[in-house]
Amino acid sequence: EDQVTQSPEALRLQEGESSSLNCSYTVSGLRGLFWYRQDPGKGPEFLFTLYSAGEEKEKERLKATLTKKESFLHITAPKPEDSATYLCAVRQGPGGSNYKLTFGKGTLLTVNP
Amino acid sequence: EADIYQTPRYLVIGTGKKITLECSQTMGHDKMYWYQQDPGMELHLIHYSYGVNSTEKGDLSSESTVSRIRTEHFPLTLESARPSHTSQYLCASSRQNNEKLFFGSGTQLSVL
Repeated sequence: EDQVTQSPEALRLQEGESSSLNCSYTVSGLRGLFWYRQDPGKGPEFLFTLYSAGEEKEKERLKATLTKKESFLHITAPKPEDSATYLCAVRQGPGGSNYKLTFGKGTLLTVNP
Repeated sequence: EADIYQTPRYLVIGTGKKITLECSQTMGHDKMYWYQQDPGMELHLIHYSYGVNSTEKGDLSSESTVSRIRTEHFPLTLESARPSHTSQYLCASSRQNNEKLFFGSGTQLSVL
């Protein structure tokens, strides 16, 4: 069965304390792995797309990496405004109109000043 | 910049009422989606549309229905709301099939 598992469920950091969030997946025919940020009471906001093992993307204090089994979202010197739930989603399928998107449950990140 | 709007943001209604959740986007996207999200749980796809007059049910069974008469508009209707329908409903759109999704702010529905 296709699965997307995110860990930890919750992470509390001090401002400036770097760490990583994990997204492991067991799907066949990966056609993209997505990271989203979701603030309380809002819809998810797109951060990154990764397509192949070894690929990396960066945006400000965030860096996403991808292997054949998992993706990491590295947060360097986080600030309180980085506090949010971070969602991972994988797209799979044979192509065309048959793609399927599966979301993980997310990691709730809290950064204390 | 994403331009996708959902109304209302919050809705509290009694059992048996008919409701329509509105979703509009100004990006000209053909692909639109409705997701259901409960606290601490995954987003689950309940409906999607690949264009005008095209609608399909998603992975999660839902008693709601949708329509797509105009590209920019994708409303969701519950004919008779029940407490089990209490959840957050998120609308999204994308340029390509299940590619980078743009989400609205959601409607938090509470059925008493």
